[in-house]
Amino acid sequence: ETGVTQSPTHLIKTRGQQVTLRCSSQSGHNTVSWYQQALGQGPQFIFQYYREEENGRGNFPPRFSGLQFPNYSSELNVNALELDDSALYLCASSLEQQETQYFGPGTRLLVL
Amino acid sequence: SQQGEEDPQALSIQEGENATMNCSYKTSINNLQWYRQNSGRGLVHLILIRSNEREKHSGRLRVTLDTSKKSSSLLITASRAADTASYFCATVGLMAGNNRKLIWGLGTSLAVNP
Repeated sequence: ETGVTQSPTHLIKTRGQQVTLRCSSQSGHNTVSWYQQALGQGPQFIFQYYREEENGRGNFPPRFSGLQFPNYSSELNVNALELDDSALYLCASSLEQQETQYFGPGTRLLVL
Repeated sequence: SQQGEEDPQALSIQEGENATMNCSYKTSINNLQWYRQNSGRGLVHLILIRSNEREKHSGRLRVTLDTSKKSSSLLITASRAADTASYFCATVGLMAGNNRKLIWGLGTSLAVNP
């Protein structure tokens, strides 16, 4: 176990809806990264939060947004859901300056 | 975008055999990491090898790195059914504030048959 938790584990939404996914980082980690992983693919970097600010973003539209709280937990929000947003969403926490990331179990999102 | 490319995409072996997976990447790196993922769950960090290292061991795992060929290999010796999983390589891209993002390959799906 990495100490990183995510909720919910599974979620079903319909096209056009909005969703919020949550992540609690490992104790002492101040950096959270979010990834999208489609079936049979490697993870794609969405963005990273460091000390409550977005600190780098991948090739995702603005309807993907996030927050990091003072306790370093984080949320990923996706507006106007599309069918292609169906995927496993992973968060990973890390220490500043450290390369190794510790992953949560993921949230599996299905958009119908 | 995916930087690492693992091959083979899928590998099926018998318990006790060795499994070798390869990863190629495109840009200069500070380090390369290997992760394991069980059936669509979270990823688990296995081993990190730095650009100035050529080989690293951890238990039954052996990783090599050839920066001139921009490639790495992961060897799992004496495989077990519990090693069945997908294996990904990831390279580190630098962002602001000296934080890093991981750039991932597509993974190798390993099946170890009892």
